[in-house]
Amino acid sequence: AQSVTQLDSHVSVSEGTPVLLRCNYSSSYSPSLFWYVQHPNKGLQLLLKYTSAATLVKGINGFEAEFKKSETSFHLTKPSAHMSDAAEYFCVVSERGSGTYKYIFGTGTRLKVLA
Amino acid sequence: NAGVTQTPKFRVLKTGQSMTLLCAQDMNHEYMYWYRQDPGMGLRLIHYSVGEGTTAKGEVPDGYNVSRLKKQNFLLGLESAAPSQTSVYFCASRPGAQLTGELFFGEGSRLTVL
Repeated sequence: AQSVTQLDSHVSVSEGTPVLLRCNYSSSYSPSLFWYVQHPNKGLQLLLKYTSAATLVKGINGFEAEFKKSETSFHLTKPSAHMSDAAEYFCVVSERGSGTYKYIFGTGTRLKVLA
Repeated sequence: NAGVTQTPKFRVLKTGQSMTLLCAQDMNHEYMYWYRQDPGMGLRLIHYSVGEGTTAKGEVPDGYNVSRLKKQNFLLGLESAAPSQTSVYFCASRPGAQLTGELFFGEGSRLTVL
């Protein structure tokens, strides 16, 4: 069965320092993996996705994630945090189920960026 | 380009009242989903649809009904609202044929049941 674990519910970083948001998954098949960002009172916006091509995936706003099959991880990173990065981030795993595509969401990591 | 539009954005109900949330997408997507978001629980799937005229239950379907009479619209109904249904509801859609497709989300509908 699929599952997603976001290892930190809250992360605080100073502006200009690196960001690391951790995600581990389990999946019976070759999964598609996604990171979404949600700013306060907004919908979810796709940051990046892994779809079995390159293991290092680049997304919007300078974010990237690396798929590591041996570690079943898909951690999100950014070299230098900006104040506008403060938001909640969701790791999502997807695979084809019976009749549809199933998406399993992690419980989210709230990123705080300190001035 | 509107994408996925949800109405209303906010609603307050009394216990036992009914209401319908409307989701409309203009991307010609086959699949549509309704999720609820509660603090610390991520998003949980309520119902989904793989095409016009079809619906199916998700992870937490009790107390909700859905309809998809037109491809572009997916309605979520609460027949008798309960305080436990206080939540933020998100509609999402995706193309049907694309194996690696992502979900496209609306901006959410915040429902409070008193």
